[in-house]
Amino acid sequence: GEDVEQSLFLSVREGDSSVINCTYTDSSSTYLYWYKQEPGAGLQLLTYIFSNMDMKQDQRLTVLLNKKDKHLSLRIADTQTGDSAIYFCAESIRGNTGKLIFGQGTTLQVKP
Amino acid sequence: DAGVIQSPRHEVTEMGQEVTLRCKPISGHNSLFWYRQTMMRGLELLIYFNNNVPIDDSGMPEDRFSAKMPNASFSTLKIQPSEPRDSAVYFCASSLGGGGYTFGSGTRLTVV
Repeated sequence: GEDVEQSLFLSVREGDSSVINCTYTDSSSTYLYWYKQEPGAGLQLLTYIFSNMDMKQDQRLTVLLNKKDKHLSLRIADTQTGDSAIYFCAESIRGNTGKLIFGQGTTLQVKP
Repeated sequence: DAGVIQSPRHEVTEMGQEVTLRCKPISGHNSLFWYRQTMMRGLELLIYFNNNVPIDDSGMPEDRFSAKMPNASFSTLKIQPSEPRDSAVYFCASSLGGGGYTFGSGTRLTVV
């Protein structure tokens, strides 16, 4: 069935790079997304990648997609304390009217 | 646009009472989603609508939960009667076609 898996927790030092990983199951997903949730807030769309792309860069964010292994990663360069949040990976579902399947979220802790 | 607007932001109610959560999607978006988030179960899709029509309600926990979308600019999620295990943050999100979601800020429901 449809499933998205993420590791639950990542701790890094301020200034280091963070890499958050995700695996998904639907090989026909058109888009894959990364969302950020800060405490007490809703999920905010960070970035997305189209399934025919391998990489997408947006300022400090780099998304890598390995379609063969169904593996998605989000790299945050020069991680700041303000990046501390929960990060969710999501895949779009084939033949569906916009339904996304979300992973369980990775809590990123940035230590000063 | 003011984004997806949810009300109330916080709701505390006694067990057995009826609770109604409200959502105003982004104007022009044609899909609307209701999610529930808890520490134990993460982010769960309850129901979603496309062009005001319910498409998939398989995530609705039980008959105590109902959702309506009488027009393109308004949706409600009702719990009757409420139980302590319904305590969670309930998110509404909207999207246009297969695009990424825009989430509201959520309603934190506490049932005592």
